[in-house]
Amino acid sequence: EVQLVDSGGGLVQPGGSLRLSCAASGFTFSDHYMDWVRQAPGKGLEWVGRTRNKANSYTTEYAASVKGRFTISRDDSKNSLYLQMNSLKTEDTAVYYCARASGSYRILDYWGQGTLVTVSS
Amino acid sequence: DIQLTQSPSFLSASVGDRVTITCRASQGISSYLAWYQQKPGKAPKLLIYAASTLQSGVPSRFSGSGSGAEFTLTISSLQPEDFATYYCQQLKSYPLTFGGGTKVEIK
Repeated sequence: EVQLVDSGGGLVQPGGSLRLSCAASGFTFSDHYMDWVRQAPGKGLEWVGRTRNKANSYTTEYAASVKGRFTISRDDSKNSLYLQMNSLKTEDTAVYYCARASGSYRILDYWGQGTLVTVSS
Repeated sequence: DIQLTQSPSFLSASVGDRVTITCRASQGISSYLAWYQQKPGKAPKLLIYAASTLQSGVPSRFSGSGSGAEFTLTISSLQPEDFATYYCQQLKSYPLTFGGGTKVEIK
């Protein structure tokens, strides 16, 4: 059974940093691109970014709103995905989901349960 | 960036109704579109990809159509478990983007 478990959320002050993790199981993690998607309280979904697989050199893509502040990485030996968030702003407050991207369309077919990040003084 | 505009943003309907949600892209995206369902406090669930392909395990009352810049999600006969928020997502180019969502509530 495919499982994605998000963790690492919490309360952080503006300007601070936080690292989110996503533990994957039930599939060959190293084969897949992986995404982060967030959702501010009461708002819609916002795509944060993507890491490609080893075959595609682990390259990354980011939304403009987080580029230069957030970094997506992965450790295929640990079946884990990470989101390093620096210079956090109040508008980064959201539930953060990791998601598996599959197939030629790279659809998000499995999602973690989400972890809440609150940026506040 | 490709903008996706969903309409309506809110929909009130009864069990058994036929429901249609539209997603318009700011430029052509071929069939690089997916639809997701999200219930309160839960992660989104993939319903349809490639504009019209039903994800495994999704009931056949859900269907998608369209290509280019206009797409629709149809629920042929609304069931109690279908009351949720629906999002479209374009997969054509980065940054990937979502529509603003359509909340389907019980009339």
